[in-house]
Amino acid sequence: GENVEQHPSTLSVQEGDSAVIKCTYSDSASNYFPWYKQELGKRPQLIIDIRSNVGEKKDQRIAVTLNKTAKHFSLHITETQPEDSAVYFCAASKQSTGTYKYIFGTGTRLKVLA
Amino acid sequence: GAVVSQHPSWVICKSGTSVKIECRSLDFQATTMFWYRQFPKQSLMLMATSNEGSKATYEQGVEKDKFLINHASLTLSTLTVTSAHPEDSSFYICSARDQGAVTEAFFGQGTRLTVV
Repeated sequence: GENVEQHPSTLSVQEGDSAVIKCTYSDSASNYFPWYKQELGKRPQLIIDIRSNVGEKKDQRIAVTLNKTAKHFSLHITETQPEDSAVYFCAASKQSTGTYKYIFGTGTRLKVLA
Repeated sequence: GAVVSQHPSWVICKSGTSVKIECRSLDFQATTMFWYRQFPKQSLMLMATSNEGSKATYEQGVEKDKFLINHASLTLSTLTVTSAHPEDSSFYICSARDQGAVTEAFFGQGTRLTVV
């Protein structure tokens, strides 16, 4: 089955700097890759997603890139702010099979230092 | 976005008893719901996929007789932890997809189960 690896497990950056989180997946049939942000004590919330027919997607300070050949995708956060501090999870899903289940990475705890 | 409500938010039970957790999609119909288990500072581990009107699909290593899943309607799925033991203590969280939407899954707020 699908296996998703995520790095780093923790990341500390100074406010205003950029943060990059990387994920790799094993199943080449996966075609949908969402990123979720989970603040302490709260539910995960979708922040951005990308499909396999797109190489890059951007939403204000957040961007995601996908390399299908290498089977890896990355989350980029620019101009980080303290409120970006949270745990970020990547996931991979095969949207064409009908089950749509998501396999999550192990998470990255991001700390933005003021 | 769509709202998924999970109940209870926390529960404490005695060893050997059973606990039921509910996951409801409040403003959309969900043909598929997912149940996850999250350990402290760890990732979301998929336990099972709950399909409305049919048997749940369990991930490898998850005991289906231990974690009973029922998805009787398009807005409700339940997870029952049977004969709970302290090692079942964890954070359980569900997610649901809007059958009319393309991809996004929405999460419930989670249930912290403590077995004493």
